[in-house]
Amino acid sequence: AQKITQTQPGMFVQEKEAVTLDCTYDTSDQSYGLFWYKQPSSGEMIFLIYQGSYDEQNATEGRYSLNFQKARKSANLVISASQLGDSAMYFCAMSPPQGGSEKLVFGKGTKLTVNP
Amino acid sequence: EPEVTQTPSHQVTQMGQEVILRCVPISNHLYFYWYRQILGQKVEFLVSFYNNEISEKSEIFDDQFSVERPDGSNFTLKIRSTKLEDSAMYFCASSPAIRFGETQYFGPGTRLLVL
Repeated sequence: AQKITQTQPGMFVQEKEAVTLDCTYDTSDQSYGLFWYKQPSSGEMIFLIYQGSYDEQNATEGRYSLNFQKARKSANLVISASQLGDSAMYFCAMSPPQGGSEKLVFGKGTKLTVNP
Repeated sequence: EPEVTQTPSHQVTQMGQEVILRCVPISNHLYFYWYRQILGQKVEFLVSFYNNEISEKSEIFDDQFSVERPDGSNFTLKIRSTKLEDSAMYFCASSPAIRFGETQYFGPGTRLLVL
């Protein structure tokens, strides 16, 4: 079974600095996808970034990048130049291999607070 | 940009009552999902739906839950007899396909409170 672990219940960062949110995963599958979602206090789930297990380069989307280390089974989210609006819960999630289950498996999340 | 919408945003109900949560997925998407998030906990998969039938469901999705696509745009989750432990945020999501790496796009959620 797939499992996502986010060991940081809360993180603090100063505005304009970079922050790394940790995510480790456990799976016996060879192919899988990794996602990060942002959940502001208003509650919606916003897709941020995706990394496929066979992608050789780390994914980037604007200020978001994913530090993917397959051997370590980690997929950390890096947010550069933090902004006050980045304060939110961040969830790491995994999707199954092609032809397998359709569900996303989520971690427990990390609450990020950006201080002015 | 197309988005998933959900109504109502908040619902308060009495234990034992039926509730219907509504979702309008992104128009060209074919796969639909319901997830729930109990306050302060992680998001959990409930059910996936494709081609007018359930394709996968979790152990949480018992006989009191049902899903339906009554027309070409709406996707509903019905809870027949609500329990206190059904209080949660319910998210609808959709994706265009089940291809590997396809992103699921989430709606804003319905916050359900069962009293």
